[in-house]
Amino acid sequence: AQKVTQAQTEISVVEKEDVTLDCVYETRDTTYYLFWYKQPPSGELVFLIRRNSFDEQNEISGRYSWNFQKSTSSFNFTITASQVVDSAVYFCALRGNFGNEKLTFGTGTRLTIIP
Amino acid sequence: DTGVSQDPRHKITKRGQNVTFRCDPISEHNRLYWYRQTLGQGPEFLTYFQNEAQLEKSRLLSDRFSAERPKGSFSTLEIQRTEQGDSAMYLCASSVSRTRADTQYFGPGTRLTVL
Repeated sequence: AQKVTQAQTEISVVEKEDVTLDCVYETRDTTYYLFWYKQPPSGELVFLIRRNSFDEQNEISGRYSWNFQKSTSSFNFTITASQVVDSAVYFCALRGNFGNEKLTFGTGTRLTIIP
Repeated sequence: DTGVSQDPRHKITKRGQNVTFRCDPISEHNRLYWYRQTLGQGPEFLTYFQNEAQLEKSRLLSDRFSAERPKGSFSTLEIQRTEQGDSAMYLCASSVSRTRADTQYFGPGTRLTVL
């Protein structure tokens, strides 16, 4: 069985602060894939990043960075210099190996950036 | 590229009525997924298709739910004899299985309210 835990239900920070969203996962697959999606108030899930289990390099994209640590089964997401447009619900998701195609989502973290 | 589209965006129905939702995937995406999202939760997998074949169904998908993808393009999700517990956002996603690590792209969803 696969499981994703996002322990932070809601986070509020003042604009320009850095914020980290936590994600912990469980899987028995040796090969798996991790994702982050953003869900703004409009409701549509927007893909942010995909990470393969065999690639532990951290990634940076503009103000966004991701820290994948297999040893602790974590895939955390950091927003640097937050902006009001970053306000949304963020979901971490896990997909298993070939033949296990469905995404298992966490319960999401609601991020509010205060101007 | 045109993204995943869903129709209708909102549906209000009375308990006991049948409803049908449509999803048009991104052109040339051979995989299509249905998820359900209730308030405050992450999306939960319902079913998925590769081309016209329905390859997996969740135990969440009761006998009142049926999904089709007759020509491997658009898909429909029908709920018969709706219940108040069916009220949720129904999300469709598509992907292309060129590699093992295909990414699912989501549509805007159909919000169902059962009175």
